[in-house]
Amino acid sequence: EADIYQTPRYLVIGTGKKITLECSQTMGHDKMYWYQQDPGMELHLIHYSYGVNSTEKGDLSSESTVSRIRTEHFPLTLESARPSHTSQYLCASGDRDNEQFFGPGTRLTVL
Amino acid sequence: GQSLEQPSEVTAVEGAIVQINCTYQTSGFYGLSWYQQHDGGAPTFLSYNALDGLEETGRFSSFLSRSDSYGYLLLQELQMKDSASYFCAVRDPQSGAGSYQLTFGKGTKLSVIP
Repeated sequence: EADIYQTPRYLVIGTGKKITLECSQTMGHDKMYWYQQDPGMELHLIHYSYGVNSTEKGDLSSESTVSRIRTEHFPLTLESARPSHTSQYLCASGDRDNEQFFGPGTRLTVL
Repeated sequence: GQSLEQPSEVTAVEGAIVQINCTYQTSGFYGLSWYQQHDGGAPTFLSYNALDGLEETGRFSSFLSRSDSYGYLLLQELQMKDSASYFCAVRDPQSGAGSYQLTFGKGTKLSVIP
């Protein structure tokens, strides 16, 4: 079954820690995206990739970085987490221009 | 740049019909999409309009008027499970280095009451 996965689903960590949020999809999509969403708010694009070795920053400035070494894998890394990074992070993929498939999200809390 | 406007909250009665409007301002336009997101869940794709007119998918329909930069999502025979946030989104070819980015509205929280 084709799907998109994110781990961990929930993460509580202390300030200054390095974390990596995992995202994998089995649909063979070239295009993948990371969004940040605060509760009850809109989605903000923070990173996107149009294929292997292709990564770009989105509209919302973010201190995170991403990599795309394999088509199915698009991890997001925070080198030094801060309380301001507390949010939900949603990964998505899709090769049709206006349809994106979202993962279940990672709820990150930085103390 | 681009901006989308939609009502922040809508309340409707079970079994009724509700319309959620979305107006947009973009320097270019490739189509309007709608996504549903339940509390604590991930957004799921509902519909997409590239051309003017009405697209129907079961109880949900979506309409687009490009000349008015306006669209709406119509939900019929409302059910309690339709309580969720609904986001309109546009793909703007002028949105930056990549033209496949979607810009989302702030979302409309729909509450369906008995």
